[in-house]
Amino acid sequence: TQLLEQSPQFLSIQEGENLTVYCNSSSVFSSLQWYRQEPGEGPVLLVTVVTGGEVKKLKRLTFQFGDARKDSSLHITAAQPGDTGLYLCAGDNTGNQFYFGTGTSLTVIP
Amino acid sequence: EAQVTQNPRYLITVTGKKLTVTCSQNMNHEYMSWYRQDPGLGLRQIYYSMNVEVTDKGDVPEGYKVSRKEKRNFPLILESPSPNQTSLYFCASSQRGKTEAFFGQGTRLTVV
Repeated sequence: TQLLEQSPQFLSIQEGENLTVYCNSSSVFSSLQWYRQEPGEGPVLLVTVVTGGEVKKLKRLTFQFGDARKDSSLHITAAQPGDTGLYLCAGDNTGNQFYFGTGTSLTVIP
Repeated sequence: EAQVTQNPRYLITVTGKKLTVTCSQNMNHEYMSWYRQDPGLGLRQIYYSMNVEVTDKGDVPEGYKVSRKEKRNFPLILESPSPNQTSLYFCASSQRGKTEAFFGQGTRLTVV
């Protein structure tokens, strides 16, 4: 069962461009996390959003949790080559099980 | 340094030969879990553990076993590995009730 769908699956952009990655579900989550994974490494947590409509900023990254707590977006402003990686969203519905999205592979070309 | 340590990082084995992938965390976390990562399917939870001696099935538990005899260790056991278990495996831990998960570096398993 794939509860979280991410789009796009692949994204290749030039340095300096803006981009948005989406994470959608038909399920309600008590919280949602975004992770970034680099080749050969495990995912590293970027942010957790908990409240519907919540917006969090991490330098050039802006995360938003949907009002109904079913979806989220990640917006990157002026992308840098160091932003290259696999971006994963993950939802927590009961606190026991975590569900990960399919991932968005981002490549930022210098 | 806070970390989750998996071993081995790489493993090639033959069908049917029992193997264990170890996972250890030094953060005194109650919650630990195992995931497999496959192209196009993302990370899928295999098993999780809320505390010592408490384990539960995730989304894809078939063909796997786990144990949690100590708080810091959560080994993943494949009693009779098959080629469809070829994958990248991650162990993760977190504080109970917290959503921030710390991941190990992964174990790339190939079953031939």
